[in-house]
Amino acid sequence: DTGVSQNPRHKITKRGQNVTFRCDPISEHNRLYWYRQTLGQGPEFLTYFQNEAQLEKSRLLSDRFSAERPKGSFSTLEIQRTEQGDSAMYLCASSLHRTSGGNEQFFGPGTRLTVL
Amino acid sequence: SQQGEEDPQALSIQEGENATMNCSYKTSINNLQWYRQNSGRGLVHLILIRSNEREKHSGRLRVTLDTSKKSSSLLITASRAADTASYFCATFLSAGSYQLTFGKGTKLSVIP
Repeated sequence: DTGVSQNPRHKITKRGQNVTFRCDPISEHNRLYWYRQTLGQGPEFLTYFQNEAQLEKSRLLSDRFSAERPKGSFSTLEIQRTEQGDSAMYLCASSLHRTSGGNEQFFGPGTRLTVL
Repeated sequence: SQQGEEDPQALSIQEGENATMNCSYKTSINNLQWYRQNSGRGLVHLILIRSNEREKHSGRLRVTLDTSKKSSSLLITASRAADTASYFCATFLSAGSYQLTFGKGTKLSVIP
C-alpha cells in the first residue's frame, strides 16, 4: 500500500507531556498538510509544507505546536505541554502540486490523541 | 473558522434511494471539493468541481455548483449500505491559499 501513513495510530498521554506524531506522504507528493479533527466537526487546517518549506500556518497552531519536514519527505508534528483540549484526531494529507489546479489531497488514517 | 456548511446534518435513507446533500460557502472560490469519511477508509476525496463548471458526474455521484448562490449539492444515486459515511464539502480559504476548509459534514446512513 503506497498511501499516506501515520504513526502512531493512537496516543494516550498525561497533561503536560510532549507528544510527537509522524506522517509519511505518498512518495512523489511534494505537498504535505496537517489537520486536526474533533468529534462532530470537519477537519481543521493546521499547516502545510511544499517540499521542506512550511508555507502556511493556521492561527490554530499555537506556539506549543511545531511541525517539520526536514528533507521534504516525512513530517513530524510535535505538541509540547499537552492540554486536554488537544485531544483530537490529527490527520496528515499529501498532494502533488500542479499549476493546472486540482491538487487533490490524499489523507492518512490519522493519529488519535487522548490527553488525560 | 469553517468556510462551508453542509445541510442536512444527518440523513437516513433506504438502500436504493437517492441522497442529496447541500453545501453553502462564504467566499469566492476556484473550486469546491467533496470528501467522504468513514471509520474503515478514513477521509477520501470524491470529486472536485471548478468554479466555471455547473455540474459534474462521477459514477453514481453528481455534483452541482451555483457560484451566484455560493452553494453546491452532492447527489448519490441508487445508494448502497457502503455509502454510509460522513460527507464534507471543502474549499480553499482564499485565492492563493492552500488552507482547505471543511464544513461540519452530513452524516449519511443507508439502511439495508
